[in-house]
Amino acid sequence: DAGVIQSPRHEVTEMGQEVTLRCKPISGHDYLFWYRQTMMRGLELLIYFNNNVPIDDSGMPEDRFSAKMPNASFSTLKIQPSEPRDSAVYFCASSFGRGTLAKNIQYFGAGTRLSVL
Amino acid sequence: AQKVTQAQTEISVVEKEDVTLDCVYETRDTTYYLFWYKQPPSGELVFLIRRNSFDEQNEISGRYSWNFQKSTSSFNFTITASQVVDSAVYFCALSEDTGNQFYFGTGTSLTVIP
Repeated sequence: DAGVIQSPRHEVTEMGQEVTLRCKPISGHDYLFWYRQTMMRGLELLIYFNNNVPIDDSGMPEDRFSAKMPNASFSTLKIQPSEPRDSAVYFCASSFGRGTLAKNIQYFGAGTRLSVL
Repeated sequence: AQKVTQAQTEISVVEKEDVTLDCVYETRDTTYYLFWYKQPPSGELVFLIRRNSFDEQNEISGRYSWNFQKSTSSFNFTITASQVVDSAVYFCALSEDTGNQFYFGTGTSLTVIP
């Protein structure tokens, strides 16, 4: 069974360009999470969806960041315009909701390493 | 305040030594869940274990064992007879029943020297 699939694995772009990161969650999972990992701040939750609906986007750093989940098998995280400080590894994770969210095991993709020059 | 504290930033051990990774958490919830994840050099995060706050029984899985102690708010992870393949960054995480938040610690980088 395929895990969470993220693309691209690596992205190098120039400041000011639009960047789109993609995620395919595990089939049947109803929660999807976007995280950012940096040396300075560790792993930060940016936003999560339940049944394709954004539930909590309080971790999104600013308006340059947006995330969508048009269907149960696809989500995007977009940065426009990108800045050098956005350089990080971005992870997508998914989980299956049984009762409360808290007990769910999140399964992570391999991440997208973003470098903004 | 940090919800999850992993005080050990980096640990190096020689192969076959035992090593314990510490995790201290903070919560006021009575129902919560604790997790450990492994991040090998390839970068992906791999789920290792989940415990709920009502189950303080220690768990053993092969060379891995976990010691959950509510009295000290700790959920420590021990690797017995470490191997080079255990080299990775290990994250402890807390999820509370209220608030729908998932808190990761800052991770402990383990290097096992052959």
